[in-house]
Amino acid sequence: NAGVMQNPRHLVRRRGQEARLRCSPVKGHSHVYWYRQLPEEGLKFMVYLQKENIIDESGMPKERFSAEFPKEGPSILRIQQVVRGDSAAYFCASSPGLAGTYEQYFGPGTRLTVT
Amino acid sequence: GEDVEQSLFLSVREGDSSVINCTYTDSSSTYLYWYKQEPGAGLQLLTYIFSNMDMKQDQRLTVLLNKKDKHLSLRIADTQTGDSAIYFCAERGYGGATNKLIFGTGTLLAVQP
Repeated sequence: NAGVMQNPRHLVRRRGQEARLRCSPVKGHSHVYWYRQLPEEGLKFMVYLQKENIIDESGMPKERFSAEFPKEGPSILRIQQVVRGDSAAYFCASSPGLAGTYEQYFGPGTRLTVT
Repeated sequence: GEDVEQSLFLSVREGDSSVINCTYTDSSSTYLYWYKQEPGAGLQLLTYIFSNMDMKQDQRLTVLLNKKDKHLSLRIADTQTGDSAIYFCAERGYGGATNKLIFGTGTLLAVQP
């Protein structure tokens, strides 16, 4: 009974490179969320996706960041031309849908370090 | 604004009760949650409470909700060293089709043996 899986767990990029973070939701879950945790801070919402659709991207920086959740395969959070301020832990969560208690189940996170 | 606030740090002795407090933003929030984060790990959902409830008990955990004051608390009975972690409260976002969670700043619970 696999939970939310994220890879890689740790990612090091030089300034200006691209970072791709992958998230496989709990089997059967069609809703995916990305959150960012800066050092010493709580989690901040970035984007909420359903299969092939972005539902809420109100927390996404306007430039360099994009997310997708294709019909097949994992959700991808892509950061272009990374800067030092992008260093953070990026968490993915999934839920079965907008019903019940709206619980979100979190993955272990990808810790991005920009050098 | 969307601010969920928590005290930053709590230290207790093993065997004592811990009470972690949280104030949230929107009185129309339907669900409120408590998550636990151990060092270097993701978030583990501990418990939740629906907004029409005042209290919920789940083994060693008791959640109290005061809607008038927008105050949420988590009580851990018989605190153990394994409870040492950061605890986050979260409210479900409001408005439109969003299902985002708005997290507090987190409370670091340190349990002394």
